[in-house]
Amino acid sequence: AQKITQTQPGMFVQEKEAVTLDCTYDTSDQSYGLFWYKQPSSGEMIFLIYQGSYDEQNATEGRYSLNFQKARKSANLVISASQLGDSAMYFCAMREPPGYSSASKIIFGSGTRLSIRP
Amino acid sequence: DSGVTQTPKHLITATGQRVTLRCSPRSGDLSVYWYQQSLDQGLQFLIHYYNGEERAKGNILERFSAQQFPDLHSELNLSSLELGDSALYFCASSVGSGAYEQYFGPGTRLTVT
Repeated sequence: AQKITQTQPGMFVQEKEAVTLDCTYDTSDQSYGLFWYKQPSSGEMIFLIYQGSYDEQNATEGRYSLNFQKARKSANLVISASQLGDSAMYFCAMREPPGYSSASKIIFGSGTRLSIRP
Repeated sequence: DSGVTQTPKHLITATGQRVTLRCSPRSGDLSVYWYQQSLDQGLQFLIHYYNGEERAKGNILERFSAQQFPDLHSELNLSSLELGDSALYFCASSVGSGAYEQYFGPGTRLTVT
């Protein structure tokens, strides 16, 4: 069964430092997708970045990059030059592509609460 | 603003009642996903519709049902409500069925008393 593990329930980082949020996953499928979402205290879920299992290059979106290590089954989120506005809950998620399985589910990790110190 | 709208924003109801949550996807998006976020269960995928057809089911209870209408808006029906159904219910949309990027609505906070 698919599983997403985020082992850091909370992290404190100094403003302007880089931060890495850990995510490991477990799947027996070869084709899958990995996502990161941000949830500020206001509650909305904000899509940050996506990595396909066949993508050879690590995904990047502005200050966000996904450190994808397929053999280790890890998909860590790296935020460069952290800002106060980065304080939020961060979720790693995984899904199979549609049509690959009759149960194309999306699962989320338990999240990491990131707090940026000024 | 993601472009996904959800109504109502808050809902307070009693056990045993039935409620309907509504979601309008972003213009042009054909897929709608429903999620439940609770303190004890975390964020759980419930169901996915693409262009009116159910595509995938997650941890959706039999007391819950959903549908996507021809105008692509979706409704999530929750019946015989229990205290444990209190949660934040999100709707998300994406262009295709692959969900490479999903855009979430602001959520409906349901409180069952």
